Amino acid sequence: SQTIHQWPATLVQPVGSPLSLECTVEGTSNPNLYWYRQAAGRGLQLLFYSVGIGQISSEVPQNLSASRPQDRQFILSSKKLLLSDSGFYLCAWTLERKTEAFFGQGTRLTVV
Amino acid sequence: GNSVTQMEGPVTLSEEAFLTINCTYTATGYPSLFWYVQYPGEGLQLLLKATKADDKGSNKGFEATYRKETTSFHLEKGSVQVSDSAVYFCALMDTGRRALTFGSGTRLQVQP
Repeated sequence: SQTIHQWPATLVQPVGSPLSLECTVEGTSNPNLYWYRQAAGRGLQLLFYSVGIGQISSEVPQNLSASRPQDRQFILSSKKLLLSDSGFYLCAWTLERKTEAFFGQGTRLTVV
Repeated sequence: GNSVTQMEGPVTLSEEAFLTINCTYTATGYPSLFWYVQYPGEGLQLLLKATKADDKGSNKGFEATYRKETTSFHLEKGSVQVSDSAVYFCALMDTGRRALTFGSGTRLQVQP
């Protein structure tokens, strides 16, 4: 069966520090991968999506970047965190011929 | 572009009450529609889905019908339980990017 792993679960980082969140999918090949952010009291916003290795599409201009170094690995990064980067980050995957998206458990990031 | 609008929360109900959470959407083409549920501190879980007009998705006593004529996908449950307390997200998946567009979420609180 397919599983998605996302870590860490919780992170507290000072303003100006770097960020690296990792997401890996097991049990499938060639997934579409996504990073979403949920700000406090708000809905989910799509940040990045990837249809293959090295292929990244950015949905909104921001302080973050994403990379896909391997087929089932998706990384969210920042060189210098801002207070506004605080939120709940969710990784998700889908398959090309499937309509369902499956989510990781999320990372709660607090920038202080 | 695509958008999803769902009713503001929180919705507070007594146990065994009837639940309706309204959801309407704007999209080009024929998107698939979803309801996701988020329990406190967790990621999102797929609750139910419908992929074409007049389809009814159902799971755990929850139901929603894809109404193309009214562009709606309202979530209903005949008798809620305390364990149903969570945030509910309506979403659509476009056929192009295969990314989800979410509503802002509706928090449901069920009191014993």
